[in-house]
Amino acid sequence: DQQVKQNSPSLSVQEGRISILNCDYTNSMFDYFLWYKKYPAEGPTFLISISSIKDKNEDGRFTVFLNKSAKHLSLHIVPSQPGDSAVYFCAATGNNNDMRFGAGTRLTVKP
Amino acid sequence: ETGVTQSPTHLIKTRGQQVTLRCSSQSGHNTVSWYQQALGQGPQFIFQYYREEENGRGNFPPRFSGLQFPNYSSELNVNALELDDSALYLCASSSLSGLASYNEQFFGPGTRLTVL
Repeated sequence: DQQVKQNSPSLSVQEGRISILNCDYTNSMFDYFLWYKKYPAEGPTFLISISSIKDKNEDGRFTVFLNKSAKHLSLHIVPSQPGDSAVYFCAATGNNNDMRFGAGTRLTVKP
Repeated sequence: ETGVTQSPTHLIKTRGQQVTLRCSSQSGHNTVSWYQQALGQGPQFIFQYYREEENGRGNFPPRFSGLQFPNYSSELNVNALELDDSALYLCASSSLSGLASYNEQFFGPGTRLTVL
């Protein structure tokens, strides 16, 4: 059962432009959402998170938006840089320590 | 301060065999979670250990078992290996104090298991 979905396997943007990565979830019990970034041959690294009591969280160039009614969240990267090229995973968790990940979106930022 | 390390990096086994994967947590962390990442998919939660006891489990059969030691290092054991067990196995350490803090979950580079 895929409770967290990232429907775009890949995304390509020009350096300096905005990157928007999307994620949908089905389980209404999820109350905490995270984005991880993964480079080849490395484990995922935490990027940014948001609690279900908020609809926006910003950290530098990264902003996560949460739309609870649509069960949708998105990650905005502005401005995009070539070093942002990686696979981005959306993840969600409730109160049972079971964190569910999406399949990932490969972001390529072209110089 | 050392990060999360995993051993071995790569491993090849045959169907029916047993395997043990190891993880050393980041210094000061008391919680370790294990994930299975199949090709083209996101990590799937296997289980979590907190202070040497299982503290949550995903949808994996009992032949997936784990241990956490007093120094908070951990093992993942898989018995009766199946071809579908071929995947990248990730461990992640964190420091729980009552409320889970997934922000502080640090992943190791993973062990690539191939079952023939």
